[in-house]
Amino acid sequence: AQTVTQSQPEMSVQEAETVTLSCTYDTSESDYYLFWYKQPPSRQMILVIRQEAYKQQNATENRFSVNFQKAAKSFSLKISDSQLGDAAMYFCAYRSATSGQNFVFGPGTRLSVLP
Amino acid sequence: EPEVTQTPSHQVTQMGQEVILRCVPISNHLYFYWYRQILGQKVEFLVSFYNNEISEKSEIFDDQFSVERPDGSNFTLKIRSTKLEDSAMYFCASSERYSTHEQFFGPGTRLTVL
Repeated sequence: AQTVTQSQPEMSVQEAETVTLSCTYDTSESDYYLFWYKQPPSRQMILVIRQEAYKQQNATENRFSVNFQKAAKSFSLKISDSQLGDAAMYFCAYRSATSGQNFVFGPGTRLSVLP
Repeated sequence: EPEVTQTPSHQVTQMGQEVILRCVPISNHLYFYWYRQILGQKVEFLVSFYNNEISEKSEIFDDQFSVERPDGSNFTLKIRSTKLEDSAMYFCASSERYSTHEQFFGPGTRLTVL
């Protein structure tokens, strides 16, 4: 079974600075998708960024980018120019491309942004 | 922008009672999911639903749980006889099609079993 680990329960960053959230996963599959979801306080989870495992190029969405290291099974999220609105719980998630539709989530990292 | 909605936002029930959690997925979506998050723990998959039947379920989704799409808009999760350990946040999600990777999540229902 796949597992997703986020080793940083909490992180903080100064406004306008850059922060990197770590995620590692374990799978025997070669074809899968990885996601970062953001959950602001009392709000639903929204997709931040996704990465297809077959793509070597790291995904980028505005201030958000990932460092996908397939061999190391690592999928970190970099937030540049952090804003107060980035404060949230961030979940890393894995989804198989071949066996099932459900997501496997990591435990989450709570990010605080300091003014 | 279309959103997944869930009601109620908070449900309190006595142990042994039945509860029904309701979700309205995004209207053109075909795949529906329930996840739960026990306080302080990770989000866990419960069940996925397509074409009016369960397509996948986890070991958490035992005989006490059932899902239904009673009409064209609602998607419900029923817990027949709640236990204390069912206390959790329950998230509904939907996706447009199998090949669509993104799942859209609702705000969740906090279930408290006393």
